[in-house]
Amino acid sequence: ETGVTQSPTHLIKTRGQQVTLRCSSQSGHNTVSWYQQALGQGPQFIFQYYREEENGRGNFPPRFSGLQFPNYSSELNVNALELDDSALYLCASSPGTASYNEQFFGPGTRLTVL
Amino acid sequence: DQQVKQNSPSLSVQEGRISILNCDYTNSMFDYFLWYKKYPAEGPTFLISISSIKDKNEDGRFTVFLNKSAKHLSLHIVPSQPGDSAVYFCAASETSGTYKYIFGTGTRLKVLA
Repeated sequence: ETGVTQSPTHLIKTRGQQVTLRCSSQSGHNTVSWYQQALGQGPQFIFQYYREEENGRGNFPPRFSGLQFPNYSSELNVNALELDDSALYLCASSPGTASYNEQFFGPGTRLTVL
Repeated sequence: DQQVKQNSPSLSVQEGRISILNCDYTNSMFDYFLWYKKYPAEGPTFLISISSIKDKNEDGRFTVFLNKSAKHLSLHIVPSQPGDSAVYFCAASETSGTYKYIFGTGTRLKVLA
């Protein structure tokens, strides 16, 4: 059974640019959640996708957007990058949307905005 | 507004002794709680969870206690092992909500051999 994978591992962008991060969910999982973890903080919920539809969103501006594909993999897109967007971006997959459906996290993508 | 708080950024414990990690929350709508462990360069790994209908859940060396009236939960690790050294996050969610996890800021546990 393949776990959650994310690409790329590291990324450096400049302010104003756009970035796309990718996540492959664990086999059998139809739900993907994205989190932003700033240095010294806990992960913060960005949004969740369930069967290709957004199923909830945290306090992030519209320049953070996402997609989920028919194979349940997902993308996180961030437009007009700001310095504060520098963080570890984690995706987590789960077999459903209920809280008791444990979320399995990938290793993350470290984004640095200069 | 930090709805889930872990007030101890770090904790050091001797191998074989008990580690107690604490977590407080403010939102009374939270009814499901989890602990995750994170090693450097890896994503958080699920450790143990507890529903608000329980006050204790045990899994091997790990026990989570929930005190709903105090809005407090704790994770006990007995006995602590050097491999337990990691950052521990508590998380909370509302089962009737959007199923997002709200995480605390983490506690770095160091188990000394």
